[in-house]
Amino acid sequence: NAGVMQNPRHLVRRRGQEARLRCSPMKGHSHVYWYRQLPEEGLKFMVYLQKENIIDESGMPKERFSAEFPKEGPSILRIQQVVRGDSAAYFCASSPREAAAKVETFFGQGTRLTVV
Amino acid sequence: AQSVTQLDSQVPVFEEAPVELRCNYSSSVSVYLFWYVQYPNQGLQLLLKYLSGSTLVESINGFEAEFNKSQTSFHLRKPSVHISDTAEYFCAVSEGFKTIFGAGTRLFVKA
Repeated sequence: NAGVMQNPRHLVRRRGQEARLRCSPMKGHSHVYWYRQLPEEGLKFMVYLQKENIIDESGMPKERFSAEFPKEGPSILRIQQVVRGDSAAYFCASSPREAAAKVETFFGQGTRLTVV
Repeated sequence: AQSVTQLDSQVPVFEEAPVELRCNYSSSVSVYLFWYVQYPNQGLQLLLKYLSGSTLVESINGFEAEFNKSQTSFHLRKPSVHISDTAEYFCAVSEGFKTIFGAGTRLFVKA
């Protein structure tokens, strides 16, 4: 059973380009979470999605960022018109039902985005 | 909102020496605490967790953490570290479906 798969592992974009980060949850998991890790900081919650629904996006920047989790295929975190401050590691996590203390969340290896 | 403070950003230690990574949290309600480890170029792995019951929890690779409610702490300890323990360690607290992370502590184990 493969874990949470993220790709690409490393992504370099020029300022103004778009970045698309993909996450395939663990088999049987229908709940996906995106976290961002800025340099020298811990992971910060961005968004929580279930299939075809955004449950909570309170951690998403108001502009340029969007996320989806379609009925088929991976979850996508999309960043439009990237800026240098978007450079970070983006982690995806999944769980079999809504995450809680007693429901373990499994993390992917992350996508390291560098904006040049 | 809850918060987690990891007091040390980096901890260098010699192999076979003991180590303590400090973590304090802010919460006035029931709290669930976690330690995650991130090895170089890898994702986060759950190391251990406190949900209830015994305040001392252990991992399979020799780490342990003690929940101290009066001091709002959840320090991570290992009596004798190995080179392979070199990694970044994150203390975290559960807040509903969110996990609130500390800034991390980089443990460097030197030969």
